[in-house]
Amino acid sequence: DAGVTQSPTHLIKTRGQHVTLRCSPISGHKSVSWYQQVLGQGPQFIFQYYEKEERGRGNFPDRFSARQFPNYSSELNVNALLLGDSALYLCASSLGNTGDGELFFGEGSRLTVL
Amino acid sequence: RKEVEQDPGPFNVPEGATVAFNCTYSNSASQSFFWYRQDCRKEPKLLMSVYSSGNEDGRFTAQLNRASQYISLLIRDSKLSDSATYLCVILTGGGNKLTFGTGTQLKVEL
Repeated sequence: DAGVTQSPTHLIKTRGQHVTLRCSPISGHKSVSWYQQVLGQGPQFIFQYYEKEERGRGNFPDRFSARQFPNYSSELNVNALLLGDSALYLCASSLGNTGDGELFFGEGSRLTVL
Repeated sequence: RKEVEQDPGPFNVPEGATVAFNCTYSNSASQSFFWYRQDCRKEPKLLMSVYSSGNEDGRFTAQLNRASQYISLLIRDSKLSDSATYLCVILTGGGNKLTFGTGTQLKVEL
């Protein structure tokens, strides 16, 4: 069975551009979460979606947005990119909304902003 | 103060050594606690949940002290394959929002 898949795996953008990252959860999983991991730090929570509704939002500016589609896949959008947005963006899926703590992470999208 | 604090390491230990990692958290309302493992340039994966009664999984033992807001992970008889970053993680509130520490890097050497 396929795990969580993310695309693209690597991308380079310049300041001010926009980026869209995509995620497909494990089949049957209805919850998708997005995390940002800067080098040397632990992942930081950005969003959680469950059944296509936003269920949680971390401390990120409005330049960050996301959505979940009827097939439970998800997109993370970041507008007006800054150098500090350079990071590994991780998508994680889980069966349900409430936490038993086990999130299944994809390998991430590594974004470099120049 | 960070919600979850860990010593970043690195901890360099010889094969077969016992190593212990500690973690403190600031939110007393935190509900659930976990250790995740992250290999270099890979995604985090759940290693084990942490319970007040303590729990063991092979060479790994996790402990939670709610009164002191302290979590620990003990690895016995460490193997080269244990080399990774160990992330202390808490779940607070509803949903699936996990708060990660910065991680402790372990290097097991011959």
